[in-house]
Amino acid sequence: DGGITQSPKYLFRKEGQNVTLSCEQNLNHDAMYWYRQDPGQGLRLIYYSQIVNDFQKGDIAEGYSVSREKKESFPLTVTSAQKNPTAFYLCASSPVPRTATGEAFFGQGTRLTVV
Amino acid sequence: AQTVTQSQPEMSVQEAETVTLSCTYDTSESNYYLFWYKQPPSRQMILVIRQEAYKQQNATENRFSVNFQKAAKSFSLKISDSQLGDTAMYFCAFWGGAGGTSYGKLTFGQGTILTVHP
Repeated sequence: DGGITQSPKYLFRKEGQNVTLSCEQNLNHDAMYWYRQDPGQGLRLIYYSQIVNDFQKGDIAEGYSVSREKKESFPLTVTSAQKNPTAFYLCASSPVPRTATGEAFFGQGTRLTVV
Repeated sequence: AQTVTQSQPEMSVQEAETVTLSCTYDTSESNYYLFWYKQPPSRQMILVIRQEAYKQQNATENRFSVNFQKAAKSFSLKISDSQLGDTAMYFCAFWGGAGGTSYGKLTFGQGTILTVHP
């Protein structure tokens, strides 16, 4: 089945450690996104990528980094510079932007807790 | 840069009644798409409805319909015959289409928690 997979579902890390969240899709989508969701709040865009080897900062990119070496994968690293990393992280993908309507498909999310 | 605003943090409705969720957005783009997504307690995001900015006709999907006012930059969602399964957080979203400075960027509002009571 085609879909978008985030792993792990729950992640615990000590303060000051970098941590990488995985996002893989087999939908052949060119565009991929990372969002952060805090309790009772909306989705805030961290980074997005429209094509392999290219990505753009979203609205809250500070303290995060990404790579897009393969079409299927868009890992997000939460660095020690992120002051409040505990949150729910959602990855999404959408078809080729120029011909698409922007509909995004989402993973199940990763709940990151920093202690 | 575009912004999306949902001014109703929480709404409630009785089963079988109608409820309208509000959304406004700000953009200088001419080519864009608007969406409503639903996030139930499982936290899985589900597309509810989509509206192309160049279409004047309001989109409908079964019990869900939108009121798209392009000049006012307003995009409200109407849920008719509300069901218990409609209980969820609803997000309004903006996607910048080809040719614009926000091309490919998908931005969400703060969300509205909708509770349907039996």
